[in-house]
Amino acid sequence: KQEVTQIPAALSVPEGENLVLNCSFTDSAIYNLQWFRQDPGKGLTSLLLIQSSQREQTSGRLNASLDKSSGRSTLYIAASQPGDSATYLCAVQGGSEKLVFGKGTKLTVNP
Amino acid sequence: NAGVTQTPKFRVLKTGQSMTLLCAQDMNHEYMYWYRQDPGMGLRLIHYSVGEGTTAKGEVPDGYNVSRLKKQNFLLGLESAAPSQTSVYFCAQPGPVYEQYFGPGTRLTVT
Repeated sequence: KQEVTQIPAALSVPEGENLVLNCSFTDSAIYNLQWFRQDPGKGLTSLLLIQSSQREQTSGRLNASLDKSSGRSTLYIAASQPGDSATYLCAVQGGSEKLVFGKGTKLTVNP
Repeated sequence: NAGVTQTPKFRVLKTGQSMTLLCAQDMNHEYMYWYRQDPGMGLRLIHYSVGEGTTAKGEVPDGYNVSRLKKQNFLLGLESAAPSQTSVYFCAQPGPVYEQYFGPGTRLTVT
């Protein structure tokens, strides 16, 4: 059974800092990995999708990497801003395109 | 949210009452999913469908039923609501490059 772990569970940083969120998964037989952002009381917003054949994806200040063989992914956020404060969720996709989620990292960026 | 809509947005039920949550998509995709999100548990898959007239169990299917009579709609039913079903329910569908798009969610409280 696939299990996804995100570390740390919570992170507080000053504005402007670069930071890394970690995601690990137990079964390397995945089709892709997706990072989401969730604001309090809101739905999920897709940030980046990395297909299993890819090593990384970039969107603006966000860069996500994938090492399928070691079961790890990282989400790098450059020059963090207070507006980046949210919970970040990692999910891996297996058969029938089902997602298995980690419990998330709650990020607070202090002005 | 790539055209994924959910109704209702909020609902309060008493134990033993029944209700149906509706998810509608406008992308004509074969796959649709129902997840629940609980504090400390992350998102977990309840049921999913790989096409009109088909449904399958996810990780936490007990207490729920689903139907996919039309391709555009995926219904999640609670026949006899229990307090343990207090949660936020999200519907999702894949996008054009396998990323998943989520609806805005339904907040259900069972008293």
